[in-house]
Formats: sequence, C-alpha cells, structure tokens
Amino acid sequence: QQQVKQSPQSLIVQKGGISIINCAYENTAFDYFPWYQQFPGKGPALLIAIRPDVSEKKEGRFTISFNKSAKQFSLHIMDSQPGDSATYFCAARWGAQKLVFGQGTRLTINP
Amino acid sequence: GAGVSQSPSNKVTEKGKDVELRCDPISGHTALYWYRQSLGQGLEFLIYFQGNSAPDKSGLPSDRFSAERTGGSVSTLTIQRTQQEDSAVYLCASSSPLAPGQFSYEQYFGPGTRLTVT
Repeated sequence: QQQVKQSPQSLIVQKGGISIINCAYENTAFDYFPWYQQFPGKGPALLIAIRPDVSEKKEGRFTISFNKSAKQFSLHIMDSQPGDSATYFCAARWGAQKLVFGQGTRLTINP
Repeated sequence: GAGVSQSPSNKVTEKGKDVELRCDPISGHTALYWYRQSLGQGLEFLIYFQGNSAPDKSGLPSDRFSAERTGGSVSTLTIQRTQQEDSAVYLCASSSPLAPGQFSYEQYFGPGTRLTVT
C-alpha cells in the first residue's frame, strides 16, 4: 500500500500550453503530498505541496488539485515554459517524515 | 547559504568491493535521509536519522547496506560487497526542526552520488 502511481512517464507540451501530471495512491494514512522538480545532475527540489484537507493549492503558474475521495492528485503547470522542462515527482508522506515517491514524469516544453 | 553536499559525485567500483558515500547536511538540520534513485525510477527511501533518536532503517534493501551519522551531522552510507543491481544515484536530504505553525519538514536534497558497479 506504500505506493504512489504517477502518469504519464513522459510528456511533451508546447510553450504556453498546460502541463498536467497525475498521481494516485491507496494508503489513506498519507497526510502530506509534495511535488518535486528535478533537473539533470541535480537533486529534487520541493515545488509545491498540499494537505488532504485542501482541494486545491496554487503558487504562481503551479497548481495542485487534490481529490480525496478518488485518492488522486495532480500537478498543473499553466503557461508552460522551456525552463519548466525537467522531471517531476509526486510524493506522499507516511510514518513521521518518510516520503514515498512516484516514478517520475519527464516533461519537455517545446519552444 | 551552503546546501546539502555529497561526495564523491561519481563512483565506479568493481563487483564485490565495499564503497562509502558521504553526505554533509545543511548546518543546523537535525534530520537526514538517504534515498536511492535507479535509472528512470522514482526515489526509494533507505534510512532516516532524526536528532539523537535511533535511525529508521526500514528501507535498507539488505544487510550489505548500513549508514551512520557522526556527531549529528555528517553521514556515511556504506555498501559492502557491491552488486551490479546496486548501481544507482544515491541521494541525501536534510531537513530543519519544525517551526511553529509548520506542518511538514521540507527535505533539501543534495546532488547525489552516481554509483556504477562493474
């Protein structure tokens, strides 16, 4: 049950478009859902996070939508830019501060 | 300020040899985590240190893997008798004590050590 399933594995979006990455989980004990952004050769960096008592959180061009009943959450990147090209990981917290990560989505924004 | 640093950045070793990977967390961070990232995969939790508490070793894949944290700061991940399936990027992260009103610790990641076992 300690799994987070992420899709798609890769995504190509035109500049200015909306990028959408989806994640699903089973364990209702998860209580914190961050998204991380990773550039090649770098460690992941926290992008945005949400608690399950909130249905949406927006920070700039990045929005998390959270559906507690469906046990799904998604990242939306509005007005996608070439600089957003990176690998994105969703994650869920369990057991103190341990995180379980999705498999990652490689996002490419075409200019 | 300085972020999480890891050394070496790359390590190539022969099957059966032991390796040590080092992590220097951000100064003042009490929690330290090790993850493994295999090619094209997500991050797999290995071990977690919090202050002076006993570490959570529940993610270590076998008894060939061990880690220690000296003086509540620097950590070393040791892999004994390396196998080819140990080839991966090993990431270290640290986090600071919870601030008032803060719900969760942000984990700050280092750049990782790419381990290749030949």
